[in-house]
Amino acid sequence: QKEVEQDPGPLSVPEGAIVSLNCTYSNSAFQYFMWYRQYSRKGPELLMYTYSSGNKEDGRFTAQVDKSSKYISLFIRDSQPSDSATYLCAMSALGGSARQLTFGSGTQLTVLP
Amino acid sequence: DSGVTQTPKHLITATGQRVTLRCSPRSGDLSVYWYQQSLDQGLQFLIHYYNGEERAKGNILERFSAQQFPDLHSELNLSSLELGDSALYFCASSVEPGQISGNTIYFGEGSWLTVV
Repeated sequence: QKEVEQDPGPLSVPEGAIVSLNCTYSNSAFQYFMWYRQYSRKGPELLMYTYSSGNKEDGRFTAQVDKSSKYISLFIRDSQPSDSATYLCAMSALGGSARQLTFGSGTQLTVLP
Repeated sequence: DSGVTQTPKHLITATGQRVTLRCSPRSGDLSVYWYQQSLDQGLQFLIHYYNGEERAKGNILERFSAQQFPDLHSELNLSSLELGDSALYFCASSVEPGQISGNTIYFGEGSWLTVV
């Protein structure tokens, strides 16, 4: 079983919909949680970063971490066609070393105009 | 544009061959990381260099090696290539020796390797 599980999708939604993307994990040592967006054949770019549990909001994006359930979510409000990409969750244990990042397999999202 | 430059962008080579992928980190970044992204394995950490020294190894095969030069650019060498080595290879860089605060690791656009 993988340390981080992520539904690969694909997920298609109409423009303006609220999108919910999720990851579950098994390693209770994970403290740093990130969401990356990856456009086709491009490098991942950081969208959201949270430490430990709680919510964080940035514009149309909200990241939630529930450590008791080992479950993290990314919500996208008022989704746009430009949001069409693969979304990767990533996490690491205390220390937050980039070499220790464990990525989910990614969810492919398509927002239809 | 993340500021991390990778070359070549695409590469097709035959099994058994050797290739070198090159990475120039963002200006001022001392750490370079290499990742492999394949359809079945997702994004996997390979190796980390800080200021010329190897700091950590991940799931890197013995056929693969890397180094970071005094000018901080890095090369990933892949030898005795197999079909299964076909993947997207990413370089990432950060300022700190290994710590991240969420917004300090930047990925390049990757080198797409196809082994035929």
